[in-house]
Amino acid sequence: QSVLTQPPSASGTPGQRVTISCSGSSSNIGSNTVNWYQQLPGTAPQLLIYSNNQRPSGVPDRFSGSKSGTSASLAISGLQSEDEADYYCAAWDDSLNGHWVFGGGTKLTVL
Amino acid sequence: QVQLQESGPGLVKPSETLSLTCAVSGSSISSGYYWGWIRQPPGKGLEWIGSISHSGSTYYNPSLKSRVTISVDTSKNQFSLRLSSVTAADTAGYYCARDPTYNYASGGNWFDPWGQGTLVTVSS
Repeated sequence: QSVLTQPPSASGTPGQRVTISCSGSSSNIGSNTVNWYQQLPGTAPQLLIYSNNQRPSGVPDRFSGSKSGTSASLAISGLQSEDEADYYCAAWDDSLNGHWVFGGGTKLTVL
Repeated sequence: QVQLQESGPGLVKPSETLSLTCAVSGSSISSGYYWGWIRQPPGKGLEWIGSISHSGSTYYNPSLKSRVTISVDTSKNQFSLRLSSVTAADTAGYYCARDPTYNYASGGNWFDPWGQGTLVTVSS
């Protein structure tokens, strides 16, 4: 049972816009910024979005993040086949002396 | 650019201690930041294990704290993970990663970059 809640799956066709949600609480998303990681099949996770809505160098602007209250969202526009991957949200949690928490992950399928 | 590489035994017996090392290149651990371990059971999600600063300050996942020790060796530019009393539930891919945070008292930032990961199986 992950501290942050994500839908287990999402799907879309090429060119579509897809959103993935991440729900938390006041001690994590409500108090701290949210990061998103992309894990392509058979590879290590990579930072996709940091500080709610910032893209690292090299990440296409098709990827965007937002946060409101204790929830966050990742949006992917102009969906491409290479976007098929697992996506994880993460946030620092201020409880219990502080620790990182992750969402359970969302498997994105490009139909 | 900064690169991280995990190493250690791929098979550990139940009740024994899992030991992994993460070698850092392209950056000095002594320059600051936190360095973390994250694991992923086969087919499952990510779980943070703990992080250590260049000066040895540690933060651990509350659910693993009693079994985890993370240490840093600045002379070798590497940091290590020890997880004691392992069971089959500890079978996972183990990743090391950098968190560009100077002080966890204010919270962490993010993990980037990550190592390629190493699979550790707990079995007799």
